Amino acid sequence: GAGVSQSPRYKVAKRGQDVALRCDPISGHVSLFWYQQALGQGPEFLTYFQNEAQLDKSGLPSDRFFAERPEGSVSTLKIQRTQQEDSAVYLCASSPGRNSLHEQYFGPGTRLTVT
Amino acid sequence: DAKTTQPTSMDCAEGRAANLPCNHSTISGNEYVYWYRQIHSQGPQYIIHGLKNNETNEMASLIITEDRKSSTLILPHATLRDTAVYYCIVMGWGSARQLTFGSGTQLTVLP
Repeated sequence: GAGVSQSPRYKVAKRGQDVALRCDPISGHVSLFWYQQALGQGPEFLTYFQNEAQLDKSGLPSDRFFAERPEGSVSTLKIQRTQQEDSAVYLCASSPGRNSLHEQYFGPGTRLTVT
Repeated sequence: DAKTTQPTSMDCAEGRAANLPCNHSTISGNEYVYWYRQIHSQGPQYIIHGLKNNETNEMASLIITEDRKSSTLILPHATLRDTAVYYCIVMGWGSARQLTFGSGTQLTVLP
């Protein structure tokens, strides 16, 4: 069956541009997570949605980062006025349930390069 | 969630068992041990999880010591496609929450 998909797979932005990264979770999955992965590091948490509600955004590094999931399915991570330090792979994961025992299914990620 | 310690890298010959250790000496009673792996240029992939009993699935086996302070992930017959970074994560049961990835172990399966 279809897994988690993300688009675009690669994005090059000039410093100061706004970008929008899309995540299509597995159909019916309640929980959705965004992670940021710098080169050579493990993924780091950005934000978490349960259906359309953003329950945790403690990992967002600045107010330039904004995420939404308006209908409880597709999610968009938006970065305004991109900076070079925003260059990373952005991973989306979905999970079928509301508790921590459910495994997270990851998409392939979007590699953002800010020049 | 408890902190984990893993070796930075390991090699394994193709066809042999790969045994990946993880220390989690501060684990508490309601915390599970999860293993994920990340193949180059892909998103992480769930492998297995357990509380205190040994677990086995089609991908791997998880051996947790009786005091639960350490565990070992076993890939019984490693293939070249098992080359990846393996992450050991400890997480309590409760509401869904983010995974806290450490540095993981880079496993290289050699032909």
